[in-house]
Amino acid sequence: DTAVSQTPKYLVTQMGNDKSIKCEQNLGHDTMYWYKQDSKKFLKIMFSYNNKELIINETVPNRFSPKSPDKAHLNLHINSLELGDSAVYFCASSHKFGAGHLYFGNGTRLTVT
Amino acid sequence: AQRVTQPEKLLSVFKGAPVELKCNYSYSGSPELFWYVQYSRQRLQLLLRHISRESIKGFTADLNKGETSFHLKKPFAQEEDSAMYYCAPCRDSNYQLIWGAGTKLIIKP
Repeated sequence: DTAVSQTPKYLVTQMGNDKSIKCEQNLGHDTMYWYKQDSKKFLKIMFSYNNKELIINETVPNRFSPKSPDKAHLNLHINSLELGDSAVYFCASSHKFGAGHLYFGNGTRLTVT
Repeated sequence: AQRVTQPEKLLSVFKGAPVELKCNYSYSGSPELFWYVQYSRQRLQLLLRHISRESIKGFTADLNKGETSFHLKKPFAQEEDSAMYYCAPCRDSNYQLIWGAGTKLIIKP
């Protein structure tokens, strides 16, 4: 019954590797997001998709590439991982673009060694 | 630029004491304001929004347009209120929430 689910929960990898995080929502929402939460708990939006189309692409290295195969899924692929990529990545969704009520996943804790 | 400020990174109060988590915003328009909470090992979730004028888990938040504030208050803190609280009061030109830096609330027994 989980509304927004993301996998994996934990991801430990070495510098230079490529990894993906998957996200799925079963709420029928139109909009999905990726957020990064750093070690100081600061939340920063990375991407926003509406009906599978990229709407927001904040200043994020192009090593990060989101993909939305359908509006229920938004995956995040990261190439050539760096130490600074270590963070918790949250997926979220909202009913429509611009809605302030976001539903978050449990987060993926990425550790790059 | 549109900004939101949560001045306290950490707030520690005793159980039963009143709690006030501060949030100030700068926004040139009619803001829609939200408080989100993240309990330990749980997902971030909406606590309350100002348009609903609800009290959730004993928390209330009043929009003060004159002071451009949206402080979160609870008269008697409980241990289960310990969590990270985020104020998200603004929408930028892309209709996205602008997040405060968060306040970690610790309720001491």
